[in-house]
Amino acid sequence: KQEVTQIPAALSVPEGENLVLNCSFTDSAIYNLQWFRQDPGKGLTSLLLIQSSQREQTSGRLNASLDKSSGRSTLYIAASQPGDSATYLCAVERSNTGKLIFGQGTTLQVKP
Amino acid sequence: NAGVTQTPKFRVLKTGQSMTLLCAQDMNHEYMYWYRQDPGMGLRLIHYSVGEGTTAKGEVPDGYNVSRLKKQNFLLGLESAAPSQTSVYFCASSGRGRKNGELFFGEGSRLTVL
Repeated sequence: KQEVTQIPAALSVPEGENLVLNCSFTDSAIYNLQWFRQDPGKGLTSLLLIQSSQREQTSGRLNASLDKSSGRSTLYIAASQPGDSATYLCAVERSNTGKLIFGQGTTLQVKP
Repeated sequence: NAGVTQTPKFRVLKTGQSMTLLCAQDMNHEYMYWYRQDPGMGLRLIHYSVGEGTTAKGEVPDGYNVSRLKKQNFLLGLESAAPSQTSVYFCASSGRGRKNGELFFGEGSRLTVL
């Protein structure tokens, strides 16, 4: 059974700091891995999607990496801003089944 | 472009009552999903559909039924609501095109069962 873990559960950093969020998964037979952002009381917004054949994806100040063999992904946020404060979730899809399994998220607070 | 729309956004039910949540997407996506989100439990997949007329069970399907009679709509039904079904429900959809599975979410439906 695929299990997805995100550590830490919460993180507080000063504005301008570069930071890394971690995601680990137990079954390396994944189709893709996605990172999402969720603001309080809102739905999830897709940030980055990495196909199983890819090693990383970049969008603006965000960079996500994928290491299937070790069952890990990281989300790197450069020059963090207060507007980055949100909960970040990763999810993996197993072998093109359409089923995504989510981690419990990391709640990020960026202090001005 | 509305994306994924869920109705209703809020609902309060008494134990034993029934209701249906409607999810509509206008992106011509093949795959649609219903998740529930609970504190400390994260997002858990209830049911999903890989195309019109198909449905499949997720991690926590008990107490729920779904239907996908039209490609753009995915309905989640509670036949006899229980307090344990108090949660925030999210619908999502994805296509199988260039981005191969990017998931788009609705804003959520907050359900309270008394």
